[in-house]
Amino acid sequence: AQSVSQHNHHVILSEAASLELGCNYSYGGTVNLFWYVQYPGQHLQLLLKYFSGDPLVKGIKGFEAEFIKSKFSFNLRKPSVQWSDTAEYFCAVNPSWGKLQFGAGTQVVVTP
Amino acid sequence: DTGVSQNPRHKITKRGQNVTFRCDPISEHNRLYWYRQTLGQGPEFLTYFQNEAQLEKSRLLSDRFSAERPKGSFSTLEIQRTEQGDSAMYLCASSLEPELEKLFFGSGTQLSVL
Repeated sequence: AQSVSQHNHHVILSEAASLELGCNYSYGGTVNLFWYVQYPGQHLQLLLKYFSGDPLVKGIKGFEAEFIKSKFSFNLRKPSVQWSDTAEYFCAVNPSWGKLQFGAGTQVVVTP
Repeated sequence: DTGVSQNPRHKITKRGQNVTFRCDPISEHNRLYWYRQTLGQGPEFLTYFQNEAQLEKSRLLSDRFSAERPKGSFSTLEIQRTEQGDSAMYLCASSLEPELEKLFFGSGTQLSVL
């Protein structure tokens, strides 16, 4: 079945620590990949996206993600997190124009 | 606020009742999406519109669910004969060419079916 898997449901880390969130998908063919973020009390918003070209993409607030086609992965990273990065992060795949399929999300808590 | 607006924010209803939610997308956004989200899960696609045309419906959208976007602006999502399993957050999003994949989400309508 087509799916998007996020490896961790909850991550707790300290400020300045590095963050990596895993995402794997199981779609054949060409897909577009996204990370969305939902900060406490706010709407879901786009963090970054990959369509083609350089597999390392940079998004807002110092986040980046790497597309590894052979591993069907699109992991999100940030070298040094801040307290304000506390949020829920969703990986999403767009296998066809018109809809995004989201993973279950990872709740990230950054402690001071 | 010129973002996506959803009403009501919360809806509590008894099983078997009908409910209707409204979504006002960002002005001029031609794509409008409905998603459903339950606790511990990501948003699940329900349906989307290109202007007033409903182009795709998920198999999650049973016959009890109907969505409309009559003039290509606001949209409504109606659930008939609600069931407890319909309890969820119903999210609306909109987007605009050429960045159709950049969805702008509303705050959602939290439905509780008792």
